[in-house]
Amino acid sequence: EVQLVESGGDLVQPGGSLRLSCAGSGFTFSNYWMHWVRQAPGEGLEWVSRINSDGSVTNYADSIEGRFTISRDNAKNTLYLQMRSLRAEDTAVYYCATGLKILAVAPFAYWGQGALVTVSS
Amino acid sequence: DIQMTQSPSSLSASVGDRVTITCRGSQTINNYLNWYQQKPGKAPRLLVYAASSLQSGVPSRFSGSGSGTDFTLTISNLQPEDFATYYCHQSYRTPQTFGQGTKVEVK
Repeated sequence: EVQLVESGGDLVQPGGSLRLSCAGSGFTFSNYWMHWVRQAPGEGLEWVSRINSDGSVTNYADSIEGRFTISRDNAKNTLYLQMRSLRAEDTAVYYCATGLKILAVAPFAYWGQGALVTVSS
Repeated sequence: DIQMTQSPSSLSASVGDRVTITCRGSQTINNYLNWYQQKPGKAPRLLVYAASSLQSGVPSRFSGSGSGTDFTLTISNLQPEDFATYYCHQSYRTPQTFGQGTKVEVK
């Protein structure tokens, strides 16, 4: 069974940093693109970032460019999102997701349960 | 960036109704258009991918259509478990983008 489990969500002060993790199991983690998607309270879905199978290609939403870094450790089957210079508007549930397809354009067939990040003083 | 505009933002319907949600892209997305269902407190669930392909395990009352910039999700014979929020999503260009969502409520 495919599973994605996020961890690391927390309450953090504005300007602070936080690292989210997403552990994958039930599939060959190293084969696929992985994504982060977030959802602010009461709002819609926002794509945040993606990384290719070996970590050599990364892309980011304009809203977080330069502040967030996506990475992966295929030996640990884990995806990361390092978040810096956090702002109140970064408050959201952060989901990791994958299509379990080789193509970067694959839809998100599998999602984690989400990790809540709250940025507040 | 490609903007995805969904309509309506909400609708009221009854069990058994036929429901149609539309999604328009600000430029062509080569049919890389996906639809998700989300219930409160849960992760989204993929319903339709590549504009019209039904994801495995999704009931056949859900269907997708369209091409170019204009796409539609149809729910025929609406069931109680279908009251939820629906999002379109283009995976053609980075940054990938979602529509703002359509909430299907009980009439």
